[in-house]
Amino acid sequence: GAGVSQTPSNKVTEKGKYVELRCDPISGHTALYWYRQSLGQGPEFLIYFQGTGAADDSGLPNDRFFAVRPEGSVSTLKIQRTERGDSAMYLCASSLRGRGSVYNEQFFGPGTRLTVL
Amino acid sequence: AQSVAQPEDQVNVAEGNPLTVKCTYSVSGNPYLFWYVQYPNRGLQFLLKYITGDNLVKGSYGFEAEFNKSQTSFHLKKPSALVSDSALYFCWVQGGKLIFGQGTELSVKP
Repeated sequence: GAGVSQTPSNKVTEKGKYVELRCDPISGHTALYWYRQSLGQGPEFLIYFQGTGAADDSGLPNDRFFAVRPEGSVSTLKIQRTERGDSAMYLCASSLRGRGSVYNEQFFGPGTRLTVL
Repeated sequence: AQSVAQPEDQVNVAEGNPLTVKCTYSVSGNPYLFWYVQYPNRGLQFLLKYITGDNLVKGSYGFEAEFNKSQTSFHLKKPSALVSDSALYFCWVQGGKLIFGQGTELSVKP
């Protein structure tokens, strides 16, 4: 595809359940990022992958959050034992190269809106 | 600690007038600076970036931004606003961390 895609576009779950959010980056982009955006706020960095490895996971709020990118392309953000406070828009972005490179502008997907009841 | 500030939650401008959306930052080292725009029900879109070189950078849709190292600012500007420019604008800094500002809602009235 031409852009970053995210599925599902909306996810409603119950407190305590497990959810997975998927991101398909632009083909050839080596860097992939996850952000969380609450209403009225700017995106908050969660994790950054360079290839298959998590180069920076300092933004993950706690150990209920985990993300993988096993083949260096698609990534999945996993949230265990969801809480109402996890409700937010989860954004994925990819860039041709990672941090420190001049080819680092990020292209964002439309997001997954997660609602925890 | 690193931070990005967009001091105005909202900016109101009449169509045809110049617009400025302000951003100041505090990071260690030489940051990469970006502006992104978010239209309703659409993803964030890249507008422009400053890496090095000329302090005035030009981007998409007629926008430009001026990097001012002494004032640690990176204000977004456009000489003549359009109604279609109405959206949420985010300043973004890549230093040791990736930090977005809180956003400024730009409203351009006919």
